[in-house]
Amino acid sequence: DTGVSQDPRHKITKRGQNVTFRCDPISEHNRLYWYRQTLGQGPEFLTYFQNEAQLEKSRLLSDRFSAERPKGSFSTLEIQRTEQGDSAMYLCASSSWDRGVNYGYTFGSGTRLTVV
Amino acid sequence: DQQVKQNSPSLSVQEGRISILNCDYTNSMFDYFLWYKKYPAEGPTFLISISSIKDKNEDGRFTVFLNKSAKHLSLHIVPSQPGDSAVYFCAAGRDRNYQLIWGAGTKLIIKP
Repeated sequence: DTGVSQDPRHKITKRGQNVTFRCDPISEHNRLYWYRQTLGQGPEFLTYFQNEAQLEKSRLLSDRFSAERPKGSFSTLEIQRTEQGDSAMYLCASSSWDRGVNYGYTFGSGTRLTVV
Repeated sequence: DQQVKQNSPSLSVQEGRISILNCDYTNSMFDYFLWYKKYPAEGPTFLISISSIKDKNEDGRFTVFLNKSAKHLSLHIVPSQPGDSAVYFCAAGRDRNYQLIWGAGTKLIIKP
């Protein structure tokens, strides 16, 4: 297993365009998280899934953002009608949750989005 | 409301000396704390954790101390090595199954 993979590593898009990022978690992990990180800040939680169920969404996740994990494996994060303020590093993490304990919280390398 | 604060944006330490990174939190419900290390162009990688039932956890050169009454934790690295130069994030959570709240990070520079 190569850890958490994110694709693409970098994305430059024009304002108003839609973008989609993909995250492949560690295969045995049942939880998958999306974070956003801007310069000089720590990661900010966006949403997380347990298997295919989206259990929580942050208020940061506006209507233009949608995340899916259709088969409980990989996940996609789509941003519609991108704005310059969406420029950030989007990080995915996965973990194994079992009977109230979270194991192996691991991050991917992130997708850096630049909206021009 | 910043629930997890790392008040030093950067820290410079001589190689071989002790590096001490600090983190303060405001939510007394946090019971699980982690330190992550991040190199440029990479995602954060797990370093060490501590639960609220302990006040110290040690792993090789890395020791995390937790002072619950002060809502403060610190990461000690001794001796510091050039490869330790990175951004260090502290994070806190509840019940080990809740989403983590992250500090803004401290950039550690180890001088040769």
